[in-house]
Amino acid sequence: GDSVTQMEGPVTLSEEAFLTINCTYTATGYPSLFWYVQYPGEGLQLLLKATKADDKGSNKGFEATYRKETTSFHLEKGSVQVSDSAVYFCALSDQSGNTPLVFGKGTRLSVIA
Amino acid sequence: ETGVTQSPTHLIKTRGQQVTLRCSSQSGHNTVSWYQQALGQGPQFIFQYYREEENGRGNFPPRFSGLQFPNYSSELNVNALELDDSALYLCASSLAGLNTGELFFGEGSRLTVL
Repeated sequence: GDSVTQMEGPVTLSEEAFLTINCTYTATGYPSLFWYVQYPGEGLQLLLKATKADDKGSNKGFEATYRKETTSFHLEKGSVQVSDSAVYFCALSDQSGNTPLVFGKGTRLSVIA
Repeated sequence: ETGVTQSPTHLIKTRGQQVTLRCSSQSGHNTVSWYQQALGQGPQFIFQYYREEENGRGNFPPRFSGLQFPNYSSELNVNALELDDSALYLCASSLAGLNTGELFFGEGSRLTVL
């Protein structure tokens, strides 16, 4: 079945450091890809998404590019802030966006001042 | 805030008991999904309801059941609780047909089974 693998955490960075969280997927066809974020004490919320190969999703300074050739959707941010501390989940669904999300295990990010 | 509310936020049960968790969808959303998030894991799909009927189910046994009401709110029921049922249960709402894949999650109900 479909699956998502993301890098193990936790990840600890200093403020203004560059962030990369790796995500690779296994799926039949061409899924839609997502990054969700879970801030402390809050529910998951969509951070960004991409629905076809070579699409770049972006939001709040975060970016991820849908790479079909490497089946990857790595999350990047050029300069992290303390407020970015959260758990980040990579996820996929089928291209219609109507099937259940399949999530990775999550990567906890801590940013220190 | 997503507009999805869940209750209770925390509860403790013992093995063999039954539990009901509740969810109010975001206004205008007609589809509700439930996910189980064990500690240190990503959310796992339990089932989805649309127009008061279950229209998708993950790999969970029948003792996990649900309801959706005419106002689109929902319940998750778990019978014969087991220790491994201890987890954060997440409700998510969406609007069918929008084809965005975006779900709006509540903060979850944390269940501890002793």
